[in-house]
Order: sequence, then C-alpha cells, then structure tokens
Amino acid sequence: DSGVTQTPKHLITATGQRVTLRCSPRSGDLSVYWYQQSLDQGLQFLIQYYNGEERAKGNILERFSAQQFPDLHSELNLSSLELGDSALYFCASRRGGGHNSPLHFGNGTRLTVT
Amino acid sequence: GNSVTQMEGPVTLSEEAFLTINCTYTATGYPSLFWYVQYPGEGLQLLLKATKADDKGSNKGFEATYRKETTSFHLEKGSVQVSDSAVYFCALEDSGYALNFGKGTSLLVTP
Repeated sequence: DSGVTQTPKHLITATGQRVTLRCSPRSGDLSVYWYQQSLDQGLQFLIQYYNGEERAKGNILERFSAQQFPDLHSELNLSSLELGDSALYFCASRRGGGHNSPLHFGNGTRLTVT
Repeated sequence: GNSVTQMEGPVTLSEEAFLTINCTYTATGYPSLFWYVQYPGEGLQLLLKATKADDKGSNKGFEATYRKETTSFHLEKGSVQVSDSAVYFCALEDSGYALNFGKGTSLLVTP
C-alpha cells in the first residue's frame, strides 16, 4: 500500500459530462502529481501541485483543471468529456519537490466515457 | 524536450532467464533516471534510480547503470521469476521535477 488514496476506483460517464477525481496524498507529502495512462499515449504528465500552488504543467487539456486544497488533497476536474478521455488517471505524491524523495502512486481511477 | 524511449514489448521469458529492457533518453543537462514497475491493477512503484552519470541503481536483483556517453539506462536482471511479470517503465526527471515516462515494456515470465 503506497499510502496514496484515489477515489473513485471506476467511473463511467457519457460524453459532454463533467467529473471530479479525488486524491489524498501520503501523510506529510506536499507535492501531488496527476498522470493520464492510455494504451496509445502511455503515461502522460498532466500537472503538479506543491503545497497548494501549481508547480508544473504538462500535456493537460484546457478542458481539464486541478487544484490542491489546504489539507493537501487534490482534485482533477475533467469537463466536456470526449471518448478519447477514457483512460486510467493516476495521482502520485512525494515529500518535497525533487528527486531525492520517491514518487508514490495511487492505484488510479479508471474513467470510461461512453 | 526531454524524453525517454524504451523497447516495445511484450517480452516473454522463461523463469531463470536473463532480462534486459533497453531505455535511452534525450535530455538537456543531467536528469535523474528511474525504473518503475506496475503490477496488474496497481499503481507504479519505484524499482530503482540513479541521479548522476555512472551511478548504478539496484533493487530486488534488478540493476541499471546511468550511461551518459550512450544516454542509456538499461534494466537488467540475471534470473527472472514468475513474480517479476509486470509492466516496467523507464523515466527521467527534468529540471521541473516532473517525471517523464517511457511507454512501458510488458514482461511475462513463464514457469
């Protein structure tokens, strides 16, 4: 058990809808990362937060947004969903911001858009 | 930009065979390099890492050496077990501290 909790485990929704994925980092971890894993694109970095502030942005679509709250949990909001957004979404956390602390991954939320 | 290329799978080996999964990288500067493993239904777990040239990361019988001259970080294990069946990801960490992953290599070890 990595200590990173993601809810829900599975989500099925229709095109055009909006969903919110939730992540609780390991206790004491300040950084939260979001990744999207799909068969064709592999594991794509979306966005990183550090202690409530956005730190780095990857291939995140404008329809997607995220935030990290004062209690350090994070939410990823996906709107105007398309079939191509079906994927496994991972949250990961680490103690600080750099490579000296390992990245710990949750078990992911599987999103299916129909 | 920074990127990682790893060999396509799936790789199928018999138990006790030697494993090599190739990984090469493109980066400016000197990134840290990692191997992560993903078992079915789970998130990724750190397997090993190397933070500078000529460093060797090792864990659970797996090894990888950071080779700056060939920009490579190949994963090796001398004798694989059925329990090693998983997807293996090579990754680099750029200056923004976000990990860039390769597409993953699926390994199946048969008894």
